[in-house]
Amino acid sequence: DAGVIQSPRHEVTEMGQEVTLRCKPISGHDYLFWYRQTMMRGLELLIYFNNNVPIDDSGMPEDRFSAKMPNASFSTLKIQPSEPRDSAVYFCASRWTSGASTDTQYFGPGTRLTVL
Amino acid sequence: DQQVKQNSPSLSVQEGRISILNCDYTNSMFDYFLWYKKYPAEGPTFLISISSIKDKNEDGRFTVFLNKSAKHLSLHIVPSQPGDSAVYFCAASANFNKFYFGSGTKLNVKP
Repeated sequence: DAGVIQSPRHEVTEMGQEVTLRCKPISGHDYLFWYRQTMMRGLELLIYFNNNVPIDDSGMPEDRFSAKMPNASFSTLKIQPSEPRDSAVYFCASRWTSGASTDTQYFGPGTRLTVL
Repeated sequence: DQQVKQNSPSLSVQEGRISILNCDYTNSMFDYFLWYKKYPAEGPTFLISISSIKDKNEDGRFTVFLNKSAKHLSLHIVPSQPGDSAVYFCAASANFNKFYFGSGTKLNVKP
């Protein structure tokens, strides 16, 4: 398997523009997570899905952020309008839940977002 | 508020010596803990885990210790190798899904 795929790898945009980040989880995985990494706050969970259904979005910072998972192989994280403080690395991760304590999340390479 | 803290942003160790990375948490409901390793331009990769029913878990050169009363965990790497140079994140969860991560410790292992 190719692992978790994220696109684009780098995104530079101007304040006020809409940004869409994309994620393809590992095939067969039933959980998908979106994280944001910043210098100040480290790695923060934004939202996670189980079987394409959003379960917990309490980490989404504002209404400007939205996430969707229309099917098991695709998810998007959208920021509209974007602001300079949204600049960060955004990671997507997926997991297959077998019930074993060794279940782990597999992370994608991340999208580095810069908002000017 | 940060529920998981890694107070040392960086650590430098000589090759062959022990590396000790520390992590503190505040939520007594956390019962599952992970360590992830991250190289530049890559996503974090799982390293080792421990549940609250244990106080130690070993995997090769990596050992994680959990002190529940102190709400503290540590990762020991023995012996340290240059390839271990990376950023290490600890993470904790009360429900196996919502993990809280620390801000990371950058480990540099000098040859």
